[in-house]
Amino acid sequence: QQQVKQSPQSLIVQKGGISIINCAYENTAFDYFPWYQQFPGKGPALLIAIRPDVSEKKEGRFTISFNKSAKQFSLHIMDSQPGDSATYFCAASIAGFQKLVFGTGTRLLVSP
Amino acid sequence: ETGVTQSPTHLIKTRGQQVTLRCSSQSGHNTVSWYQQALGQGPQFIFQYYREEENGRGNFPPRFSGLQFPNYSSELNVNALELDDSALYLCASSLKGDDAFFGQGTRLTVV
Repeated sequence: QQQVKQSPQSLIVQKGGISIINCAYENTAFDYFPWYQQFPGKGPALLIAIRPDVSEKKEGRFTISFNKSAKQFSLHIMDSQPGDSATYFCAASIAGFQKLVFGTGTRLLVSP
Repeated sequence: ETGVTQSPTHLIKTRGQQVTLRCSSQSGHNTVSWYQQALGQGPQFIFQYYREEENGRGNFPPRFSGLQFPNYSSELNVNALELDDSALYLCASSLKGDDAFFGQGTRLTVV
């Protein structure tokens, strides 16, 4: 029940396209859902996070869509750029206790 | 950059040895969490410290232990190292209940 399932495992998108990564969770106690970007040899960097009182949050080219009833959330990267090529992790936790449960990661490649 | 710094960046240890990893949290953050990230996988929660007290632990054996100091910096200690302990160890700091920011990690190789 603690798992967060992430798909796809890898993704290739052309420059300027939309990258979409999906995650699903089981634990209904989760109420904080961040997305992290990680480059090789670096620590994860917080991109954007959402709490379940809203269904969508947008920051620049990054948007989280959240479906509480389906227990799913997704990251959309608009106008994808080669510099976005990295591994993306979704995560979930119970707010107030930062035990993040991470998905398995999606390796994104944006082709020029 | 997040303001979370970890040291050392890399180290190599022999099986059976002990290791201490260090983390300086971002200014103003009172919560530090440690994660283990094996190659090609997502980070796994080890434990969390809040105001110098352990505040939750993941599925790791007791040979993984930690400390948090009054300035909120932290140490992760691993005794009796095993080959499977080879991983990237990540420290994350936050204000309790808020966004967590990760350091660059310490790459530990056990041979």
